[in-house]
Amino acid sequence: AQKITQTQPGMFVQEKEAVTLDCTYDTSDPSYGLFWYKQPSSGEMIFLIYQGSYDQQNATEGRYSLNFQKARKSANLVISASQLGDSAMYFCAAPRGGKLIFGQGTELSVKP
Amino acid sequence: DAGVTQSPTHLIKTRGQQVTLRCSPKSGHDTVSWYQQALGQGPQFIFQYYEEEERQRGNFPDRFSGHQFPNYSSELNVNALLLGDSALYLCASSYTGYGYTFGSGTRLTVV
Repeated sequence: AQKITQTQPGMFVQEKEAVTLDCTYDTSDPSYGLFWYKQPSSGEMIFLIYQGSYDQQNATEGRYSLNFQKARKSANLVISASQLGDSAMYFCAAPRGGKLIFGQGTELSVKP
Repeated sequence: DAGVTQSPTHLIKTRGQQVTLRCSPKSGHDTVSWYQQALGQGPQFIFQYYEEEERQRGNFPDRFSGHQFPNYSSELNVNALLLGDSALYLCASSYTGYGYTFGSGTRLTVV
């Protein structure tokens, strides 16, 4: 079975600093992708960034970027210049046959 | 352009009762998936509907059932509610299974 692992239950970062959230995946499927979502206390899953397995470069969307290492099967999210509004739960997820398999999530707290 | 709309936002039910949750997909989307997210956990896939049929199902008992209507909206029904069914229920829509958009969820509390 496919498995997505996020080993950091909680993280703290100072406002304006960068933070890296870890995600590893367990799959032998050569054709895969990975999503990162943000979930504020309101509950909505907000799409942040996507990395396809055949993408030549690491994905970047504004302050969000992915540190994608195929050999290590990791797709870590980097948030640069953290803002107070970045405080939320962050989930890594992999699409498998039309459904998403989620990790356990990381709660990020940004300190002023 | 409206995103995914879920109703109600909050719900309190008594153990043993039945509940119906509703989801309207994003405009242009034809596939609806439902997820259950227990407190402190990642979402778990319940089932997916496409062309008014259940296309695939996760590891959930038959007490969980659903329906998709011709306008692509969907309902999730849970019978014989248990305390353990208390969770945030998320609906996600997509077009032929790609480009997932989530709603804000329905918080179900079973007492």
